[in-house]
Order: sequence, then C-alpha cells, then structure tokens
Amino acid sequence: DADVTQTPRNRITKTGKRIMLECSQTKGHDRMYWYRQDPGLGLRLIYYSFDVKDINKGEISDGYSVSRQAQAKFSLSLESAIPNQTALYFCATSDSDSQETQYFGPGTRLLVL
Amino acid sequence: SQELEQSPQSLIVQEGKNLTINCTSSKTLYGLYWYKQKYGEGLIFLMMLQKGGEEKSHEKITAKLDEKKQQSSLHITASQPSHAGIYLCGAPQGGGYQKVTFGTGTKLQVIP
Repeated sequence: DADVTQTPRNRITKTGKRIMLECSQTKGHDRMYWYRQDPGLGLRLIYYSFDVKDINKGEISDGYSVSRQAQAKFSLSLESAIPNQTALYFCATSDSDSQETQYFGPGTRLLVL
Repeated sequence: SQELEQSPQSLIVQEGKNLTINCTSSKTLYGLYWYKQKYGEGLIFLMMLQKGGEEKSHEKITAKLDEKKQQSSLHITASQPSHAGIYLCGAPQGGGYQKVTFGTGTKLQVIP
C-alpha cells in the first residue's frame, strides 16, 4: 500500500463549486504539505502544517483553505473553484526529526470548467 | 526569495546517450534535492546533496553540487527509456530542511 494517498485522483468540477481534496499518510510523519503543479511553473506551495495545531500559508494560498483533521490527514478545499485553479495537486509529508526529503502522493488532477 | 532555474527545459535523447541537467540557484544552497516525476504521477526522491563538491550516484544517475553551493548538475549515463520523465531540483529553505522551493523542471524523453 502507498504511504501517501490522495483522493480523488481525478476531478472535473464547475466554476463556483466547492470541492475538497484529501490526503492520508501512513508514514507517521508530523509535517504535511499541499502543492500545485502547473506547466512551466514547477511546484508551488499552497499550505503546510508542521503538526495538527499548526497551519501555515504558502506562497499561493489565496482561494484555498486546509484542515488538519489528524496527524495522518490533511485536506485541501477550494471554496469556490475557478478555471485558473485547474492544475495537478500534490500532497507531501516529512519528518521533523530528520533531514530527509518530503514524500509525495500520486497527485490529484483537477479540471475546473 | 530563492529561485531555482533548470536547464534545459526539455531534452530529447537517443537511447544509450549521456545527458546533463543543470539547476542554478539565485542564493547559496543549504542543500539540494533531485526528484523524478513520471507523467501524471508523484515525485520520486532520487538523492540529496549538502556539501560543496559533494557527488552522489544512484544506478546510472550522478548528481553533483558545486563548491560554491549555487549550482547542481544531474548526469545520466547510457540513458534508457525508463529514465524518461520530468526531473526537478528542490532546495530546502533556511536551516530547517522542511520547506522546499522547486525548480521548474526538465522534461526528458528517451527515444529507443
């Protein structure tokens, strides 16, 4: 089983709809992240959480919100989706006790019409 | 803020050929990660470099961090179709190694 899972893997929605992307991890890591990937722009950080009670905005948090329901779960919400939020979204985790890299989920491909 | 520029943006090589991808930072690097991404999939960690002049290898992939810690190169020897994908470099921010800034990626295609 994958250590970091994301649901759904693909989603098509309409402008103005509220949607939630979910991320779960079994690695026991305390830190979790949400990124979006756009062609030519690389990965950009949306939000990150260093533990259940710690939520921080990344470089492109406008239009997004997050919830850290438990150490293993971190969800990303688009309150009112717009077409320029069409992107590939990745969840990642890391361990504060080590300098190891972040571990990524398989991604959610979102299309906003 | 730190920016990472990768070159080339895309690369098409014949199977068996060697190739190099570069990652240049606007600031001194605390460390440098290399990842590989297959189309539509998540990122797979390849290796991490921390010290100036450090070089690491994984199978046929070698990465090096220059002495000044502002540029890294990723070299693939005798490329295979399985090497195809997008290669991204990432730099941890500050001393915490937890927030990472990513380069824009290099798309590699290997023609059999």
